[in-house]
Amino acid sequence: GAVVSQHPSWVICKSGTSVKIECRSLDFQATTMFWYRQFPKQSLMLMATSNEGSKATYEQGVEKDKFLINHASLTLSTLTVTSAHPEDSSFYICSARDPGTDVYGYTFGSGTRLTVV
Amino acid sequence: GQSLEQPSEVTAVEGAIVQINCTYQTSGFYGLSWYQQHDGGAPTFLSYNALDGLEETGRFSSFLSRSDSYGYLLLQELQMKDSASYFCAGKMDSSYKLIFGSGTRLLVRP
Repeated sequence: GAVVSQHPSWVICKSGTSVKIECRSLDFQATTMFWYRQFPKQSLMLMATSNEGSKATYEQGVEKDKFLINHASLTLSTLTVTSAHPEDSSFYICSARDPGTDVYGYTFGSGTRLTVV
Repeated sequence: GQSLEQPSEVTAVEGAIVQINCTYQTSGFYGLSWYQQHDGGAPTFLSYNALDGLEETGRFSSFLSRSDSYGYLLLQELQMKDSASYFCAGKMDSSYKLIFGSGTRLLVRP
């Protein structure tokens, strides 16, 4: 089945620094990937839709200059949290849809737990 | 706006049957998915309903009623490993993005 690899699985950074998270589709090409954010015991909140070769589409309330998304190839999307602050600490998860399937069973990466100190 | 509501917690006994409901409000709706997520893990796809009715996949079944803006996930022969969070997710427009429900934590007791 479809596999999405996400790295790193966890990261600790100092306040004010930037952190890059990678999301790769390993056995399929994903023209579209999605980035979610999840706080403990809460739901997944869609942050943005990452489109290969074009600008990402951000959900209302998500700062595009703070959460930079790059989808430079059909298998890789990156999320960069710029000038991170403690309130950015969260679980970030990417997902992708294998266009070869007929059902809307998206595959998720294993997530990245970001802690800003 | 778009929202999907679920009960926050459900507790059931091993071997029993449990139903997790999902009600949604949206101006557009294409289909309803269900995902399972264990603590600290990634969500995994369980089922998808594009049309009204029941979809069965092993011990899990999912139901959708568009007229009632309502769906549910039915888990049969509960096992301890089924203890997890369950999310309904709606495809709300012609794009492929999903909007997730509030989530239900299922606790299966011996």
